Amino acid sequence: GAVVSQHPSRVICKSGTSVKIECRSLDFQATTMFWYRQFPKKSLMLMATSNEGSKATYEQGVEKDKFLINHASLTLSTLTVTSAHPEDSSFYICSARAGPGGEQYFGPGTRLTVT
Amino acid sequence: AQKVTQAQTEISVVEKEDVTLDCVYETRDTTYYLFWYKQPPSGELVFLIRRNSFDEQNEISGRYSWNFQKSTSSFNFTITASQVVDSAVYFCALSGQHNQGGKLIFGQGTELSVKP
Repeated sequence: GAVVSQHPSRVICKSGTSVKIECRSLDFQATTMFWYRQFPKKSLMLMATSNEGSKATYEQGVEKDKFLINHASLTLSTLTVTSAHPEDSSFYICSARAGPGGEQYFGPGTRLTVT
Repeated sequence: AQKVTQAQTEISVVEKEDVTLDCVYETRDTTYYLFWYKQPPSGELVFLIRRNSFDEQNEISGRYSWNFQKSTSSFNFTITASQVVDSAVYFCALSGQHNQGGKLIFGQGTELSVKP
């Protein structure tokens, strides 16, 4: 199956700093990428949908100025958590899709801890 | 509105037992997709199956089988002769008509523990 990578897999940062998480589709071009957030023992919640070359569409309740998403190429999307706080600590998972109706492939996730 | 309910939060079985994970969904779309994913302790989501709303045939893949019943809006997942390696959190998910841009609505997940 298709491969999606995320970097870093784990990151610890101090409160107030910004953290960038990368999501890459390694063997296909992803016109759409999705960012999910998962709290411990909880389900995955969609944060935003990003289409290559256009602005991301954020789900209700997700602060777009807090969670900056960039999808500058067909193989890379980035999520930047700005001015991170301890409550932003979570497991962030991206997924990528080749085209409308296509299968969605998930990355391995990034565990963010804000101290 | 779309919704996926996995009523079983945790299930514990002994190895070799059969176990069924329930999934009930709500949607007004006539065309939709249902999914099951496995999330082992490592955290990575593993795709298990995708089923579209027009295909009610049950599917079997090795020890895994799925029972899709539109009449009860259910898409249940059965593991036969469970093994310790099956221990994980399992998510059922729904994607609406035309994939609604691909959005996946996840259920709450069922944590399966298979003991030796």
